[in-house]
Amino acid sequence: DQQVKQNSPSLSVQEGRISILNCDYTNSMFDYFLWYKKYPAEGPTFLISISSIKDKNEDGRFTVFLNKSAKHLSLHIVPSQPGDSAVYFCAAIYNTDKLIFGTGTRLQVFP
Amino acid sequence: DSGVTQTPKHLITATGQRVTLRCSPRSGDLSVYWYQQSLDQGLQFLIQYYNGEERAKGNILERFSAQQFPDLHSELNLSSLELGDSALYFCASRPGGKAGYTFGSGTRLTVV
Repeated sequence: DQQVKQNSPSLSVQEGRISILNCDYTNSMFDYFLWYKKYPAEGPTFLISISSIKDKNEDGRFTVFLNKSAKHLSLHIVPSQPGDSAVYFCAAIYNTDKLIFGTGTRLQVFP
Repeated sequence: DSGVTQTPKHLITATGQRVTLRCSPRSGDLSVYWYQQSLDQGLQFLIQYYNGEERAKGNILERFSAQQFPDLHSELNLSSLELGDSALYFCASRPGGKAGYTFGSGTRLTVV
């Protein structure tokens, strides 16, 4: 049972454009959502998070939007840079405080 | 350096064998989490320890076990290894609250 889903396994975006990565979840008990970025041969690194009581959180080039009614969140990267090329994982938490990860989206930013 | 240390970085072993993966959390972090990432898969939660005690269990096989020691480091023991156990195993730690999960760089296990 995949509670957190990232339906796009890959995304290719031109440098300078917006990258939009999507994530859907099924468990309405999730109260905190996070995005992690992962380079090959490295562990995931925390990028940005959002509480379920908010609908937007912004940090520099990264913005996460949450639509609770649709059980959907998205990560916007503007402008996209080649160094952003990585695998992005969406994750969610509820009261047991373990992270439930999606399967990831591989973002490639080309010049 | 994330502050979470995992050893070894790479491990190659034969089917049927037993291995131990080690994780040292960030200084002061009481919670340790173990995750498995198989080829092109997401990270699957295995088990969580908090201050030496098992806190939550995920999709961990009976052949796998873990523990957290008084100095807060944790070990994940994998026994009767099968080819399908080949994966990246990540450890994460956090001090508390919702955010602040920090991952180590992982142990790549190859079972041949």
